[in-house]
Amino acid sequence: GQNIDQPTEMTATEGAIVQINCTYQTSGFNGLFWYQQHAGEAPTFLSYNVLDGLEEKGRFSSFLSRSKGYSYLLLKELQMKDSASYLCAVRGNRDDKIIFGKGTRLHILP
Amino acid sequence: DAGVTQSPTHLIKTRGQQVTLRCSPKSGHDTVSWYQQALGQGPQFIFQYYEEEERQRGNFPDRFSGHQFPNYSSELNVNALLLGDSALYLCASSLVAGGSNQPQHFGDGTRLSIL
Repeated sequence: GQNIDQPTEMTATEGAIVQINCTYQTSGFNGLFWYQQHAGEAPTFLSYNVLDGLEEKGRFSSFLSRSKGYSYLLLKELQMKDSASYLCAVRGNRDDKIIFGKGTRLHILP
Repeated sequence: DAGVTQSPTHLIKTRGQQVTLRCSPKSGHDTVSWYQQALGQGPQFIFQYYEEEERQRGNFPDRFSGHQFPNYSSELNVNALLLGDSALYLCASSLVAGGSNQPQHFGDGTRLSIL
């Protein structure tokens, strides 16, 4: 079967760094996406990884290890507006559907 | 550059009724995927349309059907509504020729409530 696991909730402090982990088991692999979703809004694209290693984009970085079926999203210099759900999503074989995890709700404390 | 638009924004139905939700993809996109998102959960894949045909389907019953029109817009139809169908329905568009690294762009969703 296909499964994506990520923590349900996390709490961090404004200005700090937080790492959100994601493990996956899918039939084939053709890329992993991270999306941010504020309450009541549409998911917005953050990052994409298909090769092992770290992709950095401003305050956000995403890491992938295909052999371990593992990814993480790293958020630096946290701001209050970063309070949101973070969705890990995996695309199986090329052109296959994208499977989402249940999301991690991140709470930022002042 | 218009993004993904969905209508209606909110909808209230009763059990047993039928509903049609609509989606216009982002300009230049040719593929539309539909997702159901229950409160506190991640989006669950319903199906994907490309070239007016259903290409992929998730674990949803036949009560869920769809259509894609020549202008790439799409409809999601749900028959014999159940209380458990209450959710946010998200439409996402992408471009097949853009490659597998192209992210899907999501609309703001339709909030469907079943009474």
